[in-house]
Amino acid sequence: GENVEQHPSTLSVQEGDSAVIKCTYSDSASNYFPWYKQELGKRPQLIIDIRSNVGEKKDQRIAVTLNKTAKHFSLHITETQPEDSAVYFCAATIPPYLGDMRFGAGTRLTVKP
Amino acid sequence: SQTIHQWPATLVQPVGSPLSLECTVEGTSNPNLYWYRQAAGRGLQLLFYSVGIGQISSEVPQNLSASRPQDRQFILSSKKLLLSDSGFYLCAWSVPRSQETQYFGPGTRLLVL
Repeated sequence: GENVEQHPSTLSVQEGDSAVIKCTYSDSASNYFPWYKQELGKRPQLIIDIRSNVGEKKDQRIAVTLNKTAKHFSLHITETQPEDSAVYFCAATIPPYLGDMRFGAGTRLTVKP
Repeated sequence: SQTIHQWPATLVQPVGSPLSLECTVEGTSNPNLYWYRQAAGRGLQLLFYSVGIGQISSEVPQNLSASRPQDRQFILSSKKLLLSDSGFYLCAWSVPRSQETQYFGPGTRLLVL
């Protein structure tokens, strides 16, 4: 089955700096890669996703890049703000998407004002 | 639009007592449904998923069980809770085949004493 590794486990940045979180996956058949943000005590919420036919996707201050050859994908947050502080989870899934989504262990991002 | 509900929001139960957590989805038909557990400060562990009424797949053998008595209802149960069952239980849904994204419910925080 799929195995997803996520690094780093904790990340602390100054407000305004960029943050990068990286994930690797094991199964080359994976073709959908969502990122979730979980604030303390809340549910994980989808913030961005990318499919294997795309190398990069951007949404305002958030971007995700995918390298299928190397089997890794990354979340980039620019101009970080204190409200970006949360735990971020990457995931990878294999068609036909029946219970095959595997999550990384999470990255706790702290943005210092 | 689709909404997902979970109850109760919090629960404190003694060891050895039974458990029943409920999840319902509105605004969609025949969703894929999932139960996850998240231990404090940890990642997401998939427990069960279901692609239809009465169809349950188990990811991790344990003292928990799941049932899907109706199309948009998913129930997580236990006959006898263990201390290690404490955690944040999240239900999620996805549209089968056409969209892989999983959307999470608000969660149930369970403390077993």
